[in-house]
Amino acid sequence: DQQVKQNSPSLSVQEGRISILNCDYTNSMFDYFLWYKKYPAEGPTFLISISSIKDKNEDGRFTVFLNKSAKHLSLHIVPSQPGDSAVYFCAATSGGSNYKLTFGKGTLLTVNP
Amino acid sequence: EAGVVQSPRYKIIEKKQPVAFWCNPISGHNTLYWYLQNLGQGPELLIRYENEEAVDDSQLPKDRFSAERLKGVDSTLKIQPAELGDSAVYLCASSLSPQGGDTQYFGPGTRLTVL
Repeated sequence: DQQVKQNSPSLSVQEGRISILNCDYTNSMFDYFLWYKKYPAEGPTFLISISSIKDKNEDGRFTVFLNKSAKHLSLHIVPSQPGDSAVYFCAATSGGSNYKLTFGKGTLLTVNP
Repeated sequence: EAGVVQSPRYKIIEKKQPVAFWCNPISGHNTLYWYLQNLGQGPELLIRYENEEAVDDSQLPKDRFSAERLKGVDSTLKIQPAELGDSAVYLCASSLSPQGGDTQYFGPGTRLTVL
């Protein structure tokens, strides 16, 4: 039973446009959500996070939105750049601790010049 | 600041052979994690250490997998004997502590191929 779902295996956008990556979760105990970015042959790197007490968190070109009632979060990248091409993982945790991350399967984002 | 170091980066072995992976976390990070990442999947936690203590090893297949972090710094993950299904990327991560949303920093991983 997958508790964190990224239903789009891949996404392709044009440079300068908005990229929207989606994530759904089933466990209502999750209270902290993170996005990680992964380049080939590298480990995942932390990108942005959001607590369940918020519905939006912004960091430069990256914004994460959380809809608790729908158990849905999304990552917006504006404007998208070719260097953003990577696999993006959504992750969630509960109990106020960051240690037990449950990851989705990831979405491969390709930003075309 | 140096990141999480893992070695080897790639390992090819035959089934039933033993294999070991090594991880050196970021200096000062007390918490160390080992993850397994199968192809097309997200990372899954195998074991978490707080200093020398394995505080969560509930997902570690203890019949063939073992791990240690003897001095609370470096860690080794071992598989003996390896099976075909163990082919995956093994990721090590570290954080200052698991509390307060401390970020986990990942190493590049070891890609294991079992023939």
